[in-house]
Amino acid sequence: QVQLQESGPGLVKPSETLSLTCTVSGGSISSYYWSWIRQPAGKGLEWIGRMYTNGNTNNNPSLKSRVTMSVDTSKNQFFLNLSSVTAADTAVYYCAREYRSSLAPWGQGTLVTVSS
Amino acid sequence: QSALTQPASVSGSPGQSITISCTGTSSDVGSYNLVSWYQQHPGKTPKLMIYEGSKRPSGVSNRFSGSKSGNTASLTISGLQAEDEADYYCCSYISSSTWVFGGGTKLAVL
Repeated sequence: QVQLQESGPGLVKPSETLSLTCTVSGGSISSYYWSWIRQPAGKGLEWIGRMYTNGNTNNNPSLKSRVTMSVDTSKNQFFLNLSSVTAADTAVYYCAREYRSSLAPWGQGTLVTVSS
Repeated sequence: QSALTQPASVSGSPGQSITISCTGTSSDVGSYNLVSWYQQHPGKTPKLMIYEGSKRPSGVSNRFSGSKSGNTASLTISGLQAEDEADYYCCSYISSSTWVFGGGTKLAVL
């Protein structure tokens, strides 16, 4: 059974870059789309972007060019970088696999706080 | 890329049926039968309940069903149980290979 685990710094300073890793276990990362989603405290879900294991990516236009994603198939990991962060980027960040035009499974989520 | 529109809250009594709507546009919900629904209990990870508009993943109760009419998708929960009390989110594939979520609906089981 595929499982996902997010990891990364829990605290990022304003204007810096948020960097997260999603580690996939129990299955291969290859031949799937993998998404990042975030959820500010008490608010709804926001899709950030997705990437295929060949490197193709699609991003939420609202985040413009601040998002970059990459993958390391040898380590079964994929990555999110979000640049020029502000307090509005404080949220729980989830990674998830796309399956049958839906998102499942999800990682447990990691809280990232943007503060000086 | 605007969020899909969901009611902020719905409520029902145990045993009753409720429906949560998810309204989009002809560019998202109306164009694709690719709406999924997620259940999220407080402090927990979202759980897939419905995919491709009306299909249930293995292990999801048949009390949960999905449908679509025009630009509006719906999630119906029949035989409400206390454990169904949670937040529910719809999500749709849209053009340019991106996804959009609804704002979420809080279900209260009275």
